[in-house]
Amino acid sequence: AQSVTQLDSQVPVFEEAPVELRCNYSSSVSVYLFWYVQYPNQGLQLLLKYLSGSTLVKGINGFEAEFNKSQTSFHLRKPSVHISDTAEYFCAVSDQLGGSYIPTFGRGTSLIVHP
Amino acid sequence: DGGITQSPKYLFRKEGQNVTLSCEQNLNHDAMYWYRQDPGQGLRLIYYSQIVNDFQKGDIAEGYSVSREKKESFPLTVTSAQKNPTAFYLCASEAGFSSTDTQYFGPGTRLTVL
Repeated sequence: AQSVTQLDSQVPVFEEAPVELRCNYSSSVSVYLFWYVQYPNQGLQLLLKYLSGSTLVKGINGFEAEFNKSQTSFHLRKPSVHISDTAEYFCAVSDQLGGSYIPTFGRGTSLIVHP
Repeated sequence: DGGITQSPKYLFRKEGQNVTLSCEQNLNHDAMYWYRQDPGQGLRLIYYSQIVNDFQKGDIAEGYSVSREKKESFPLTVTSAQKNPTAFYLCASEAGFSSTDTQYFGPGTRLTVL
């Protein structure tokens, strides 16, 4: 079974500074990677996903992530954060197991943007 | 507007009572999921359903039950056998049952046991 590690439970940053949220997964022959965002007391929504092709994936709200197969990582980045980016961010991984799909989520990283 | 609705948003229960959380989607999605979210633990899968009249246990199914009588609906019952039910519950749906699909989440129900 897949496992996902989000290395930081909390990341404080000042507004307009760059940020990187780290995600590592256990190795698999074929893996698909997702980042979701959760604003307080709401459900999750997709930021971006990597299925194949270019290893640099661009998502909504200025976020991007880079798939690194050799390091089994899928870190999320934004060059300049806003107060409104304060939220919980979840990395998720899926693969094909016997014809079925079960996603595995990381424990989440709380991004706190200070003015 | 297409989407997923969950009701109620907040739910209070006395110990020993069963409660049912509603999840409805009008996205015509085949697959539906229930997750439990606790602080610092991320999302844990309770049950999932690939098609109508079929569902499978997830990682923490004990003390929960589900049904899938209609494609649009996937209610979750939290029974009195669930020892620590206070949590935030999220329902999600997905077009198919594929590794590449995006999950669409409802707004969640916060259950508190008094």
